[in-house]
Amino acid sequence: AQSVTQLDSQVPVFEEAPVELRCNYSSSVSVYLFWYVQYPNQGLQLLLKYLSGSTLVESINGFEAEFNKSQTSFHLRKPSVHISDTAEYFCAVSGVGGSEKLVFGKGTKLTVNP
Amino acid sequence: DAGVTQSPTHLIKTRGQQVTLRCSPKSGHDTVSWYQQALGQGPQFIFQYYEEEERQRGNFPDRFSGHQFPNYSSELNVNALLLGDSALYLCASSPVGVGGTEAFFGQGTRLTVV
Repeated sequence: AQSVTQLDSQVPVFEEAPVELRCNYSSSVSVYLFWYVQYPNQGLQLLLKYLSGSTLVESINGFEAEFNKSQTSFHLRKPSVHISDTAEYFCAVSGVGGSEKLVFGKGTKLTVNP
Repeated sequence: DAGVTQSPTHLIKTRGQQVTLRCSPKSGHDTVSWYQQALGQGPQFIFQYYEEEERQRGNFPDRFSGHQFPNYSSELNVNALLLGDSALYLCASSPVGVGGTEAFFGQGTRLTVV
């Protein structure tokens, strides 16, 4: 079984500041890792994912996340945030070669202030 | 491509009633998963359907049931509604065999039980 812990429920930052949203996971098997974003009253959109290969993965809108197996972490970072990045961010995990379900953390609400 | 579509977008039901939510998967996808997202929480896996059969089930009571049709669309049924069933219900579709790695989510159905 897998579990995900998102260490911060809310993260307020100013526009153009850097941000890190933290995610730790627990699993007895190898995992795939994901970050999803949810804007108000909307569904989930995939931001980026780690399946294999390079441990640093990037999204098209400037976010990046690094898979750290020894720390069992998959923190999300952006060097300079915009007002439009205000949303809820969910870290998720699924087991490799096993259950196809996604296990989500409780989410981190990112608020970017002018 | 319309992506994953869910209907209705919102509905209000009374305790004890029954509800049916509907999902049409993304074109080319034959696997449908349902998730419940309570207010302030991450999505929780309810079950997954493939080839018109339930493949996996999360920790939800038998009041939650589903169906998948030959065209891959799916329904989620909840009987004997409780106040605690109030949540955003998300449908995700994916091609079979790729796990959660290619899951696309719909906008969700907001269910309010009064």
